[in-house]
Amino acid sequence: AQTVTQSQPEMSVQEAETVTLSCTYDTSESNYYLFWYKQPPSRQMILVIRQEAYKQQNATENRFSVNFQKAAKSFSLKISDSQLGDTAMYFCALPGAGSYQLTFGKGTKLSVIP
Amino acid sequence: DAGITQSPRYKITETGRQVTLMCHQTWSHSYMFWYRQDLGHGLRLIYYSAAADITDKGEVPDGYVVSRSKTENFPLTLESATRSQTSVYFCASSDIPGQGARTGELFFGEGSRLTVL
Repeated sequence: AQTVTQSQPEMSVQEAETVTLSCTYDTSESNYYLFWYKQPPSRQMILVIRQEAYKQQNATENRFSVNFQKAAKSFSLKISDSQLGDTAMYFCALPGAGSYQLTFGKGTKLSVIP
Repeated sequence: DAGITQSPRYKITETGRQVTLMCHQTWSHSYMFWYRQDLGHGLRLIYYSAAADITDKGEVPDGYVVSRSKTENFPLTLESATRSQTSVYFCASSDIPGQGARTGELFFGEGSRLTVL
C-alpha cells in the first residue's frame, strides 16, 4: 500500500527566510510522480510543484523547489524568500499503485511570521 | 467558466437525514474523486470514478453512495448522515495521462463544509 508521511504537523518561518518541509513515502512503483499541494485559509487546493521520479533533476517553480531522493524515498519542499501568502497547509502526495487517485500525507501547517 | 464546482459550499443537517453534495466539471476529465478532509487525517479518498457508470471505493467509503450517469457530474450522497461525517468534502478531477508515468495531477473544487448535528 502507498504511504505518505509528513512528520512536521506545524512549522513557522520568518518572512524572507527559507523553510524546508519534509515528506517520506513508500511505493512499489518504479515510475511515478510526486506532488506538493498548498491549501491556504481559503481552502482551495493548489498544486505547488511536481516531480517526475525518473528525472534526477530536482523540480523548481520560482521560490519553490524540491529535494528528491529516490533511494531514500524522500521528497522535501523548500520555500525560499518566504512570503506572508505562503501561510497555508502543505500536503505531499503520490498516485496509488495501478490507479490515478492520490494518497496524501496528513499535512504541515506553515505560518509565515512578519 | 471552465473548472470544477461544488455545491453547496456549506451545509448543516441533522443526524439521520439524507444529504447530497454536488460536483460538476467542465473539462470532460475522465476521472473524478471525492475526498474528505479531517484534522489529523489529511485527505482521505471516499470514492472515485474512472468514467461514466464506473465507480469504485476508496479508503473510507462506508456511509456514502456515489453515481456518475454523466461524465461531468459526480454527486456524493450520505444516505443517513452521522456526526462522524462532519467534515470538509473535496471533489477533484483528472484526465488520463499520455504515455509514460501517470501524472496523477488533480484539479480540486473549493470544498463543501458539512456539519451534522
